[in-house]
Amino acid sequence: EAGVAQSPRYKIIEKRQSVAFWCNPISGHATLYWYQQILGQGPKLLIQFQNNGVVDDSQLPKDRFSAERLKGVDSTLKIQPAKLEDSAVYLCASSPPQPSSYNEQFFGPGTRLTVL
Amino acid sequence: KNEVEQSPQNLTAQEGEFITINCSYSVGISALHWLQQHPGGGIVSLFMLSSGKKKHGRLIATINIQEKHSSLHITASHPRDSAVYICAVFPSGGGADGLTFGKGTHLIIQP
Repeated sequence: EAGVAQSPRYKIIEKRQSVAFWCNPISGHATLYWYQQILGQGPKLLIQFQNNGVVDDSQLPKDRFSAERLKGVDSTLKIQPAKLEDSAVYLCASSPPQPSSYNEQFFGPGTRLTVL
Repeated sequence: KNEVEQSPQNLTAQEGEFITINCSYSVGISALHWLQQHPGGGIVSLFMLSSGKKKHGRLIATINIQEKHSSLHITASHPRDSAVYICAVFPSGGGADGLTFGKGTHLIIQP
């Protein structure tokens, strides 16, 4: 089966510009996650969707970051305007709707953002 | 607050050596995830376990729920094993899907 797709793979922008990332999860996966991974650290959850609803966005900097999953399938993450500290790898992951207390997550290749 | 600590942070070894990476966490969990991340960012799931031991090829993962500790072992290490290895845990209680990640262990295997 196809994995989690992300685009672009790399993006370089100047501070105060806007940028958008796209993620297409594995078919049938109801839960979608966006993570931010700053160099040298583990990933940090930005937002979690269950179908087209937001489950957790407590760590999303809402003054500049937004995300949507309008049809409950693919998702976009936007940063507007970008700051230098937003330079990171943005990872998308998805997990299937299993009747379990935990779901294995499948990760995409990530988008490496550099803000100059 | 759930903390996930990995050790060592960096490890350089010679090809063929037996490698051990450790992970400790502070709260009860439903399961623990070992992930591999190569340069470029993509993350690959190696193991998800909630008890005992799992083996896949040259990789072995163990977990001790009572001691809140897990280890990832690599036997007969090879330069292609060079990567960052990340431990992540699913906190228990309440159906939360959220993973808490360690900072990763940067492994370099020299030929």
